[in-house]
Formats: sequence, structure tokens, C-alpha cells
Amino acid sequence: RKEVEQDPGPFNVPEGATVAFNCTYSNSASQSFFWYRQDCRKEPKLLMSVYSSGNEDGRFTAQLNRASQYISLLIRDSKLSDSATYLCVVNGDSGNTPLVFGKGTRLSVIA
Amino acid sequence: NAGVTQTPKFQVLKTGQSMTLQCAQDMNHNSMYWYRQDPGMGLRLIYYSASEGTTDKGEVPNGYNVSRLNKREFSLRLESAAPSQTSVYFCASSEVTGANYYNSPLHFGNGTRLTVT
Repeated sequence: RKEVEQDPGPFNVPEGATVAFNCTYSNSASQSFFWYRQDCRKEPKLLMSVYSSGNEDGRFTAQLNRASQYISLLIRDSKLSDSATYLCVVNGDSGNTPLVFGKGTRLSVIA
Repeated sequence: NAGVTQTPKFQVLKTGQSMTLQCAQDMNHNSMYWYRQDPGMGLRLIYYSASEGTTDKGEVPNGYNVSRLNKREFSLRLESAAPSQTSVYFCASSEVTGANYYNSPLHFGNGTRLTVT
């Protein structure tokens, strides 16, 4: 099982829609979880950290399910500017190894 | 506030040539990283430096060497470039918090687009 797996998409959604992405990780010892956003031909940028109790930042909600070893990202009221690739990021094989990136899920928000 | 600065932004090499990618950060971060990103492969870690004076191999280190010149700078060297090293290279840094170096998010540079012909 790969360390971090994401559905590559693309997810094509209309403006205003709600869309959710899941990401599964292989190591139950992982401690750190993040969602990054990457625009075409740009560097990845931190979207939000993911906390055990779940957390929200405006239209974005992140959740962690340790029992099933997945994290999720929910985007409400999608905007055209949300179109990007969303990368799931997790600690490596042990808690003290560098972060591992998923291959990303591509989102296109359509007018 | 520059953050992480990479040079050059673009480079074309012929097979067998060598070059060094430069990276500097002004955020006083202890940890620095080099990733490569290829279509369909995602970001893969080449080398990292947990702190000044240390370097470790990542997932795909073959064909590369690194130098942690000081706390600010972390360079990546291709001694004999191959077409398989055509990629986008990202340098990143992160802040050390407590005993676990990798709880913190990464801050990326703008990337270097390298083509090896």
C-alpha cells in the first residue's frame, strides 16, 4: 500500500457546489497532516493543517479519521479561483521522517 | 519578505553536463529539502537536511548530491545530467518544533524547471 493515496480526479464542479476529497495514508504512527494547494506551474502552498478534532477555515473544512487512516477536505460554495490541484501531505513511515506528498487531486470549478 | 529563493528558474543542459541548483531561505528555518516533481509522479524527496551540518537521502537520491552550506543555504548538484533528470525541482524549508522535526509545514521556493537533452 502506498504511503499517501489520493483520487487524481479531475473533479469538475459548477460554481457554488460543495466538493470533498479524501486521502488515505498507510502508517498509523503518522502525526502531521496537511492540505496543500498547487496551481498550474506554481509551487505548492499550504492550505491548512489538519487537526485531530477537525478544523475549519472559511469555506474549507479538514477532518482526520485515525481509525480508518484518512483525511478529508471539504470545500463549500466553490469559486472559480478554487480550481487547482490539492495535495494531501502526511508524515513519512515513522513520526520523525519528512513529509510525504500524495500525487494530488485536480479540481476544476466551472462557471 | 523573500521566503525561499531558488536559482535559476529555468535551465537547459546537455547530457553529461553538471550544474548546481541554489536555494536560500530567510526564515531562520532549521530544516531544508529538495523535491522533484514529474507528471503523474507527484513530489518526491531527493535529499533533506534536518539541521545545519546534516544531510540525508530521500526517496530518489541517485544522481544528485547536496551541500548544506550554512543555515540559510542548501544546494543541489547534478554531476552528470541525464534526460531522466528533466523535471521541476522545488526547494523547501520548515521550522523545527520540539523534538519532532517534521511536524511543521513546508515553505516552497518557486521552482527550477530543468530540461536535459
